[in-house]
Amino acid sequence: KQEVTQIPAALSVPEGENLVLNCSFTDSAIYNLQWFRQDPGKGLTSLLLIQSSQREQTSGRLNASLDKSSGRSTLYIAASQPGDSATYLCAVNKLGAGSYQLTFGKGTKLSVIP
Amino acid sequence: GAGVSQTPSNKVTEKGKYVELRCDPISGHTALYWYRQSLGQGPEFLIYFQGTGAADDSGLPNDRFFAVRPEGSVSTLKIQRTERGDSAVYLCASSGAELTDTQYFGPGTRLTVL
Repeated sequence: KQEVTQIPAALSVPEGENLVLNCSFTDSAIYNLQWFRQDPGKGLTSLLLIQSSQREQTSGRLNASLDKSSGRSTLYIAASQPGDSATYLCAVNKLGAGSYQLTFGKGTKLSVIP
Repeated sequence: GAGVSQTPSNKVTEKGKYVELRCDPISGHTALYWYRQSLGQGPEFLIYFQGTGAADDSGLPNDRFFAVRPEGSVSTLKIQRTERGDSAVYLCASSGAELTDTQYFGPGTRLTVL
């Protein structure tokens, strides 16, 4: 069974710092990996989707990398801002039957201090 | 440009009661998903629809849970004889038919069973 782990569970940084969030998964037979953002009381917003054949994706100040063979992904946030404060979730689609199911980690709660 | 909407946003019920949670997907999206997110956890897959049929209901925890999508658009998640352990945020997502398509999530329904 696929398991997704995110470290750290919570992170607090001063505004302007660059930071890295980590995600690991136990089964490397994945189709996609996605990073989501969740604000309190809100749904999930997709930030970046990396297909298994890709190594990284970039959007603005966000960069996500994928090392499928080692079962790891990182989300790099440059020049953090207070508006980046949220919970960041990593999720994978497995290959084969049931590949539309997303398996999520528990998330990293980020606080950016002004 | 409406996104996925879910109603109600909050539902408080008593143990043993029946509840219905509604999801309106993005227009034109053929795939619809239900997930459940307990406090401090990532979302967990419940059921997946492709069109009107439930293509995979393997994530439903027991036979008290049932979901329908009669016209291939709006979906209703139904929970019979609710239990306190059913308390969670129920998230709905929709996407296009391809596995590479991003799943777009609604804001969720927070269910509290007293």
